[in-house]
Amino acid sequence: KAGVTQTPRYLIKTRGQQVTLSCSPISGHRSVSWYQQTPGQGLQFLFEYFSETQRNKGNFPGRFSGRQFSNSRSEMNVSTLELGDSALYLCASSGDRNTDTQYFGPGTRLTVL
Amino acid sequence: AQKITQTQPGMFVQEKEAVTLDCTYDTSDPSYGLFWYKQPSSGEMIFLIYQGSYDQQNATEGRYSLNFQKARKSANLVISASQLGDSAMYFCAMGRMEYGNKLVFGAGTILRVKS
Repeated sequence: KAGVTQTPRYLIKTRGQQVTLSCSPISGHRSVSWYQQTPGQGLQFLFEYFSETQRNKGNFPGRFSGRQFSNSRSEMNVSTLELGDSALYLCASSGDRNTDTQYFGPGTRLTVL
Repeated sequence: AQKITQTQPGMFVQEKEAVTLDCTYDTSDPSYGLFWYKQPSSGEMIFLIYQGSYDQQNATEGRYSLNFQKARKSANLVISASQLGDSAMYFCAMGRMEYGNKLVFGAGTILRVKS
């Protein structure tokens, strides 16, 4: 089975721009979660989508949004980028049960200049 | 609120020796899961091992075992027979099993294996 894929792998943007990151889960997985990883704050949960519905949300401003498509692929969008949004964005997919393990993709490294 | 504490910022271990990475957690939920992930310098998070709060036996996966002490709220990872490829950052994480997939991570421990 192919793993979780994320595109693009690297991205450079300037302040004020917006960005869209994409995540394709493992085949058959309907849950997709997004995490932000920074040296200062560590790994923080952004949101989770399950069957095209946001099921959980972390404590991030409304500039961070996401969606999930009928094929379970997910996108996250960050509008009005700030320098502090520079981070590794990780996507994880899992099966239907809450006890299922989350498997992560390689991440998208976003740099905001 | 859930919290994960990893008190060892960095660890060294000699190749072929065993090493224990500490993890303590705090939660009031009766049902939860504990996970360990490995993150090499490439950035990808690699799942290592899982322990459910109701599991009676400690989890094992190859060279990895999880020393689960529920009363002490600890879930230490033991890596036996360390290899050079084990050098990486290791994260302990917890999920609330009743509330979907949302993991809370510790700060991580950098492990360096010496030859």
